[in-house]
Amino acid sequence: QKEVEQNSGPLSVPEGAIASLNCTYSDRGSQSFFWYRQYSGKSPELIMSIYSNGDKEDGRFTAQLNKASQYVSLLIRDSQPSDSATYLCAVKKRSSNTGKLIFGQGTTLQVKP
Amino acid sequence: GAGVSQSPSNKVTEKGKDVELRCDPISGHTALYWYRQSLGQGLEFLIYFQGNSAPDKSGLPSDRFSAERTGGSVSTLTIQRTQQEDSAVYLCASSRSSGTGISYEQYFGPGTRLTVT
Repeated sequence: QKEVEQNSGPLSVPEGAIASLNCTYSDRGSQSFFWYRQYSGKSPELIMSIYSNGDKEDGRFTAQLNKASQYVSLLIRDSQPSDSATYLCAVKKRSSNTGKLIFGQGTTLQVKP
Repeated sequence: GAGVSQSPSNKVTEKGKDVELRCDPISGHTALYWYRQSLGQGLEFLIYFQGNSAPDKSGLPSDRFSAERTGGSVSTLTIQRTQQEDSAVYLCASSRSSGTGISYEQYFGPGTRLTVT
């Protein structure tokens, strides 16, 4: 079992729709969760961080965390073609003395005009 | 303000040569990380610095890889006797202090694309 799992996709949605990206993690003690966007040939760009159960909204993006189910998701409302990218879920496990993140393989999102 | 910078942006080297990759973190960020991303692979952690010390080197793939950080700022990743499997994009990230508690947001530099021929 991978430590952080994402469906590789591609996830295809029409412009204006809601895109829902999902991520599960294996370490129940994980404390910090992040979503990054990565365009082809570019480095990851931080979109959201979430630390507590529930929803966190920032503009068109909403991150949802459910620690009991070990599940974190990212919703993108009013999807635009410019949102087409790979979305990486990253998790900090509960471990001593390291801030390293464990990344999922990423989900490719395609937003069709 | 200025983000994380890395140099060079691209490096082509012959198998067996040594290379040095440089990272300049966001000013004031005490934590610095090196990751690499190979074609078809996810982001793989290499090493974590808090200040000038490296409490987590668990991701370095072999003793050919080493890294240092000086003055709590710039970091250099050195790969000795490069091999073709070292070809990847090497990414540096920085954040506010991180450790046993929550992890603050990590911001990535543009990366160095290393090609070993």
